[in-house]
Amino acid sequence: DSGVTQTPKHLITATGQRVTLRCSPRSGDLSVYWYQQSLDQGLQFLIQYYNGEERAKGNILERFSAQQFPDLHSELNLSSLELGDSALYFCASSIAGTGTNYGYTFGSGTRLTVV
Amino acid sequence: GQSLEQPSEVTAVEGAIVQINCTYQTSGFYGLSWYQQHDGGAPTFLSYNALDGLEETGRFSSFLSRSDSYGYLLLQELQMKDSASYFCAVRGSLRAGTALIFGKGTTLSVSS
Repeated sequence: DSGVTQTPKHLITATGQRVTLRCSPRSGDLSVYWYQQSLDQGLQFLIQYYNGEERAKGNILERFSAQQFPDLHSELNLSSLELGDSALYFCASSIAGTGTNYGYTFGSGTRLTVV
Repeated sequence: GQSLEQPSEVTAVEGAIVQINCTYQTSGFYGLSWYQQHDGGAPTFLSYNALDGLEETGRFSSFLSRSDSYGYLLLQELQMKDSASYFCAVRGSLRAGTALIFGKGTTLSVSS
């Protein structure tokens, strides 16, 4: 157990629907990062939150949004789902805003299947 | 922007040594990291190089040459459990803030 908790582990939904993925960071970590990993693709950075505020945005679609709550857990909302959104979605956390010295701690991911 | 290049696949036998190379292009450089991911599992942090040279952690070592925008991960005394994907990553551009940008990964297959 890495200390980063993601729920649900698996999600199957239909095109056009909306889902919410949840992430609880490791205790003491203030930064949360969301990544998407499609088949045969690397980890695509979506968005980062630090202590409740959006810090950085990557290639996140307008249909996707996220937030970090006062207790530091984060939610990633995916709407108007398309078949191409099927992927593994990872949440990672780090102590500070950079995370580079100590590395990110990843959760076990949510596997989203859009049918 | 930033981009990272690494080989898509590498094969080796148990007990051997393998080197996974990574070249990067980034507007701002804040260090090169390496992560390991077993099939479908969570990526795990292996190493971080901010300065030129070799960092050793047990059977794994990581090297960085900032002048060449190049680094590598060296795995020694390979074991079957080392079969996994290995990703190099750099801190993104100013636009991406502090988040790591990952390469597409190298799949290492270790055979007996």
